[in-house]
Amino acid sequence: AQTVTQSQPEMSVQEAETVTLSCTYDTSENNYYLFWYKQPPSRQMILVIRQEAYKQQNATENRFSVNFQKAAKSFSLKISDSQLGDTAMYFCAFFRYNFNKFYFGSGTKLNVKP
Amino acid sequence: SQTIHQWPATLVQPVGSPLSLECTVEGTSNPNLYWYRQAAGRGLQLLFYSVGIGQISSEVPQNLSASRPQDRQFILSSKKLLLSDSGFYLCAWSVQGQPNTYEQYFGPGTRLTVT
Repeated sequence: AQTVTQSQPEMSVQEAETVTLSCTYDTSENNYYLFWYKQPPSRQMILVIRQEAYKQQNATENRFSVNFQKAAKSFSLKISDSQLGDTAMYFCAFFRYNFNKFYFGSGTKLNVKP
Repeated sequence: SQTIHQWPATLVQPVGSPLSLECTVEGTSNPNLYWYRQAAGRGLQLLFYSVGIGQISSEVPQNLSASRPQDRQFILSSKKLLLSDSGFYLCAWSVQGQPNTYEQYFGPGTRLTVT
């Protein structure tokens, strides 16, 4: 079974500092995609970053980067220079593309403090 | 550009009443379509997904059903709502075929309260 675990229900960070959100997953497949989605108070789900499992290079998108450790099945999200607008729920997701299915973690609530 | 609509935005229904939530996608054809439910403070639970008209896969046995009467229309229904059906319902779509980054695009959601 595919599972995604986010062990940090809630985190806080001071504005302009760096924070890392953890995510681990369990799969027996070799090819898949991983995503981080953000859900601000508006409840609109927004894609933050994606990582193809066959790529060794970690994905980056401006202040957002991932640390993808395939052997350890770990996919953490680092947010640099945190901004107040980063306050949101963050969901890690695993995509099993042979089955067209996404599996989401339970989320980490990030609070950026001024 | 592609857009996804959901309605209604909010809904309050009594226990035992029927339900119909609608999702439509514009600007693309033959998308994969998904229904998720998010309980308060929880993650997303996949309810149904569809790869084509009339093709529905159910992930969780429950009193909900889904239908895809048209290529870009996805409907979530129930004949009799339960209190446990309360939650935030999200519709999403993704591209079929190539090129594909497998990203899912989410609608604005429907907040359902069953009283």
